[in-house]
Amino acid sequence: AQSVSQHNHHVILSEAASLELGCNYSYGGTVNLFWYVQYPGQHLQLLLKYFSGDPLVKGIKGFEAEFIKSKFSFNLRKPSVQWSDTAEYFCAVNAGGGSQGNLIFGKGTKLSVKP
Amino acid sequence: DTGVSQDPRHKITKRGQNVTFRCDPISEHNRLYWYRQTLGQGPEFLTYFQNEAQLEKSRLLSDRFSAERPKGSFSTLEIQRTEQGDSAMYLCASSLYQGRYEQYFGPGTRLTVT
Repeated sequence: AQSVSQHNHHVILSEAASLELGCNYSYGGTVNLFWYVQYPGQHLQLLLKYFSGDPLVKGIKGFEAEFIKSKFSFNLRKPSVQWSDTAEYFCAVNAGGGSQGNLIFGKGTKLSVKP
Repeated sequence: DTGVSQDPRHKITKRGQNVTFRCDPISEHNRLYWYRQTLGQGPEFLTYFQNEAQLEKSRLLSDRFSAERPKGSFSTLEIQRTEQGDSAMYLCASSLYQGRYEQYFGPGTRLTVT
């Protein structure tokens, strides 16, 4: 069965520290990849997406992610976090390049940024 | 705001009662999805529609769960004979289907079964 693994359950950083959140998926075919963010009290919002092409994708608020096909990974990065980045981050995969409807989510990583 | 809306936002019910949730997608989106999220977990797929056709159902969707999208616009999710294990956040999302798409999520309906 397809699955998504997020390695860190809770990450605590100080402002201005660099961030990298790991995401690995298990599916050998074409995939669409997403990172969603859920700020406290708000609904899931799309942070960035990868469909094809340049494996380094840039999203909103200075986030980026790199798709490494050989490692089945799609790690999220930000060079300098802010207190406002405190949120829960979910990696999601749509297997089959969009022909399958559902997203498969990881369990999420809670990020706490200390001011 | 023309995002995905869900109603109600919160529902408390007693075990054994039936509940129904509504989702209104973004108006031009032809795909609509239902997910369930419990504490400490990511959203889990339940079912999705393309227009009014229900194309896929997860094994998580027991016989007590039914979803409809009668006119290809809003959708309802009904849970019959609720159980305590049904307590969760029920999320709705919508998207276009053009080969490449992203899903936009609503605020969710939090169900508590007592």
